[in-house]
Amino acid sequence: ETGVTQSPTHLIKTRGQQVTLRCSSQSGHNTVSWYQQALGQGPQFIFQYYREEENGRGNFPPRFSGLQFPNYSSELNVNALELDDSALYLCASSSPGQGHNEQFFGPGTRLTVL
Amino acid sequence: KNEVEQSPQNLTAQEGEFITINCSYSVGISALHWLQQHPGGGIVSLFMLSSGKKKHGRLIATINIQEKHSSLHITASHPRDSAVYICAVPTGGTSYGKLTFGQGTILTVHP
Repeated sequence: ETGVTQSPTHLIKTRGQQVTLRCSSQSGHNTVSWYQQALGQGPQFIFQYYREEENGRGNFPPRFSGLQFPNYSSELNVNALELDDSALYLCASSSPGQGHNEQFFGPGTRLTVL
Repeated sequence: KNEVEQSPQNLTAQEGEFITINCSYSVGISALHWLQQHPGGGIVSLFMLSSGKKKHGRLIATINIQEKHSSLHITASHPRDSAVYICAVPTGGTSYGKLTFGQGTILTVHP
């Protein structure tokens, strides 16, 4: 059973650019949640994807968008990057049939916006 | 007031000491998570519990649903326990993947 993986591990972009982050869910999991963790803060919920549909969104602007594929892997896209987007981006996978609240986290992607 | 509050924010201990980290929450929940985050970022799930107590090695987690309070205990602490410990609760209703996190407790265990 493979765990949750994320790519890339680190990324440097400049203000105004666009970025795509990727997450592969744990085997058998059909739900992926994305979180943003600014330095020194707890993670903040961005959105969740369940069976390829967005299923809940936190307080993030529309320039944060996502996608989930038939194999349940997911992408997080951020357009028009701002300096405050610099953070660790975490994804977590889960599955309703296996205790719907238990989530398994990936190692994160650290994004730096210059 | 945050939905999830942790205390203390920083904790320093000597190797072998008994550690307690507290978490209080203001919403009704079905379960509470305790997570560990090491420098570098990766988060590891330690416990998910909805009642009573769970134990894993030197870690013990307890929860009192009526009082909306949970504690994480570490017995015989070791320098490798140094990390940020975070409690989190589901607050998304049907969006059950939405966790609201506490601000974390930074634990440093000295040899």
